[in-house]
Amino acid sequence: GENVEQHPSTLSVQEGDSAVIKCTYSDSASNYFPWYKQELGKRPQLIIDIRSNVGEKKDQRIAVTLNKTAKHFSLHITETQPEDSAVYFCAAWITSGTYKYIFGTGTRLKVLA
Amino acid sequence: DSGVTQTPKHLITATGQRVTLRCSPRSGDLSVYWYQQSLDQGLQFLIQYYNGEERAKGNILERFSAQQFPDLHSELNLSSLELGDSALYFCASSPQGSTDTQYFGPGTRLTVL
Repeated sequence: GENVEQHPSTLSVQEGDSAVIKCTYSDSASNYFPWYKQELGKRPQLIIDIRSNVGEKKDQRIAVTLNKTAKHFSLHITETQPEDSAVYFCAAWITSGTYKYIFGTGTRLKVLA
Repeated sequence: DSGVTQTPKHLITATGQRVTLRCSPRSGDLSVYWYQQSLDQGLQFLIQYYNGEERAKGNILERFSAQQFPDLHSELNLSSLELGDSALYFCASSPQGSTDTQYFGPGTRLTVL
């Protein structure tokens, strides 16, 4: 069935280091891939997204790469700061059959000062 | 503050009961989405409405139903509640279609005793 696998489930990095979170999707017809950040007790917030006609997108310290052939996309955070500590969710917009969003299981990122 | 409002903030009820969660989207947004987030779990997409019509559907239980009204606010109805329905329910809105940026509301925490 349709699913999105997200790895790792937890990630600890030193402040200033880079963090990479990877998601793999199963539906080759997926065409939109957002990333959300959710701080403890808060609502999810979109931090970056990518569409299937683009291979990479950057926004300051955050970037997302998409490999359609391998069906995976990754979130890259450079020069991490303590305020980057949160849970990050990836998602894929499924367009074959019933349209829906499928989310990854989340990555808890901890940036150590 | 995203501009999306949800009521109530908290809801405590008993098994077998029925509740209604309400969402008001950002001004001008036509799409409304509903998500369920169980304790320490990821986000589960339930359903999307666009300008009053159902647009996309996730693994929403048959005991759950939603609608979007002419003024674009939406309601999520949960019936025959079970302990496992205890979760945080988020509503999000976006200007137009399913791949627009979604803005999440603060959520309604449902506790079923």
